[in-house]
Amino acid sequence: QITLKESGPTLVKPTQTLTLTCTVSEFSLSRSGMGVGWIRQPPGKAPEWLALIYWDDDKRYRPSLKTRLTITKDTSKNQVVLTMTNMDPVDTATYFCTLSYYYDNTIFDHWGQGTLVTVSS
Amino acid sequence: EIVLTQSPATLSFSPGERATLSCRASQSISSHLAWYQQRPGQAPRLVIYDASYRATGIPARFSGSGSGTDFTLTINSLEPEDFAVYFCQQRYNWPQTFGQGTKVEIK
Repeated sequence: QITLKESGPTLVKPTQTLTLTCTVSEFSLSRSGMGVGWIRQPPGKAPEWLALIYWDDDKRYRPSLKTRLTITKDTSKNQVVLTMTNMDPVDTATYFCTLSYYYDNTIFDHWGQGTLVTVSS
Repeated sequence: EIVLTQSPATLSFSPGERATLSCRASQSISSHLAWYQQRPGQAPRLVIYDASYRATGIPARFSGSGSGTDFTLTINSLEPEDFAVYFCQQRYNWPQTFGQGTKVEIK
């Protein structure tokens, strides 16, 4: 059974950099065609797609956040890391890791449980 | 950026009734629309992809239709576990965007 698990700080201060790690189990990040991405969801609001990295290291970013985001993967650890700089209270949200593979590499067919990140001084 | 509009924000039904949810795109997205179900405290779950295809494990009471700018998710004979929030999502253009969601609540 494929699982994705997010890890990282639950509380960050304004202006700090957030680093989140997604660990994928029972699915190789080297598999051709796959994509792993990050989506966030502020409390009570809609999800917002942030970034996605493909098996061949191609990357996509949300244009409005592109200057603040970096997504990388470590196939030896089967992990994907998202960094977001200059955090602000409006970035408070649950951050989900997603896998895209079984239908199309732009459809989110597996999700992690999410991790709530609060930005506050 | 493509805007997806879901209305209304909340729909109320009794178990066993049929629910019809709407999603409208600000421009044509062909059939590149997905629906996700989100129960309280859980991650979204893929229900429908490419407008009308059920994801693996999704019951047949869920169906999707539409193309271009107007899409519909239908849930026949609502079960207790179907009461949740449903989001539509387009993958026609980057950035991929989601609608604001429709909450299906028990009347």
